[in-house]
Amino acid sequence: DAKTTQPPSMDCAEGRAANLPCNHSTISGNEYVYWYRQIHSQGPQYIIHGLKNNETNEMASLIITEDRKSSTLILPHATLRDTAVYYCIVSIRANDMRFGAGTRLTVKP
Amino acid sequence: GAGVSQSPSNKVTEKGKDVELRCDPISGHTALYWYRQSLGQGLEFLIYFQGNSAPDKSGLPSDRFSAERTGGSVSTLTIQRTQQEDSAVYLCASSPALGMGRAYFGPGTRLTVT
Repeated sequence: DAKTTQPPSMDCAEGRAANLPCNHSTISGNEYVYWYRQIHSQGPQYIIHGLKNNETNEMASLIITEDRKSSTLILPHATLRDTAVYYCIVSIRANDMRFGAGTRLTVKP
Repeated sequence: GAGVSQSPSNKVTEKGKDVELRCDPISGHTALYWYRQSLGQGLEFLIYFQGNSAPDKSGLPSDRFSAERTGGSVSTLTIQRTQQEDSAVYLCASSPALGMGRAYFGPGTRLTVT
């Protein structure tokens, strides 16, 4: 019961922007959107989170629609090391994060 | 400071034996979480701690599973009478507080029950 919907897989060419969509149509007003990724055989890694406004950090940008029912994670210049499963989670707090199946992103040379 | 550490990194045990998995969170982090990830599957939430207390244990798969946290730091996940379906990677995470914020995950313990 992850409350989000993501495509199961995506491909991206190395050096191009990777745009990963997430639908969260039942998001409530105080729930944040979190993005994590999991590279094979490692623990999940935090990427970014936001509430209403778009956010940017050294790893990625997060674009949240005005109605907050969907968001897009943007990796501006994907590298082969960005190949991973990307999880979109909506939650009020870190203790209530339920991971869904995520999107398996494959960056190709 | 170091990140979240877990031990052992790998554990192979015989069916029916008990196992203890350890998690050392980041110093000062009051919230601690346990997840399980079976092969090729997503993460399954097990339990969280705020300080030493675990308000909600409903995510634990069965009464063979228990967890404790002492001194607001180290946590132990214990599985009694292990079964083959317990084979998975057990992941621990911590965060500065139970409120909004990101969680930091450890590398996990890969448990194999033969």
